[in-house]
Amino acid sequence: SYVLTQPPSVSVAPGETARITCWGDNIGTKSVHWYQQRPGQAPVLVIYFNSDRPSGISERFSGSNSGNMATLTISRVEAGDEADYYCQVWDKAPDQHVFGSGTKVTAL
Amino acid sequence: QLQLQESGPGLVKPSETLSLTCTVVGGSIVTDDHYWDWIRQPPGKGLEWVGSVYYDGDSYYSLSLKGRLTLSADRTWNQFSLSLTSVTAADTAVYFCARRGRGNVLQGSNGFDVWGQGTRVTVSP
Repeated sequence: SYVLTQPPSVSVAPGETARITCWGDNIGTKSVHWYQQRPGQAPVLVIYFNSDRPSGISERFSGSNSGNMATLTISRVEAGDEADYYCQVWDKAPDQHVFGSGTKVTAL
Repeated sequence: QLQLQESGPGLVKPSETLSLTCTVVGGSIVTDDHYWDWIRQPPGKGLEWVGSVYYDGDSYYSLSLKGRLTLSADRTWNQFSLSLTSVTAADTAVYFCARRGRGNVLQGSNGFDVWGQGTRVTVSP
């Protein structure tokens, strides 16, 4: 089965840029979606189809995907960005949706 | 604005069947453009996709749960449901229902853009 690997944690000072990586075999050939999950809440879609932002999501969130790595970038990090972030892809064969292991972002 | 609401028992005994329902409010499950999914999250762990159902009943499941899982959709009540048999402690989790866009041929399946608040299910004697 397809595996997505994320670093367990990323720490960044407020105002700086956080980059969260998601590694998978030839992930650049798949569409990657990203979710933010604050403690005790449901996940929220923040990036879809690698780099598109849903309405209402800050432009500080951006995404890229190439080769074996996809990246979620959070610019000018704020305290409110502290959360767990998950990448997700659809594995066409065998028609499964796969989530990454999750990354906890901390604003120092 | 579309909202999803999970309902079901919070406690299930081992070897019994877990049944959950997701009610769709502010929209219809009868849409060509969306699937309706279940995702779960064990305590302190990450997200795990459970399965998808289309409004006409077409469904597909996580390979790890296939054989124990049945998803269904009810157009009359605007709901979709999950039934998981022979549960064990490993099935203890918060269960979320979510909407997913079908996407397109070029880009594949879309992401999960609307989520319920989740319902906690514990498997214990």
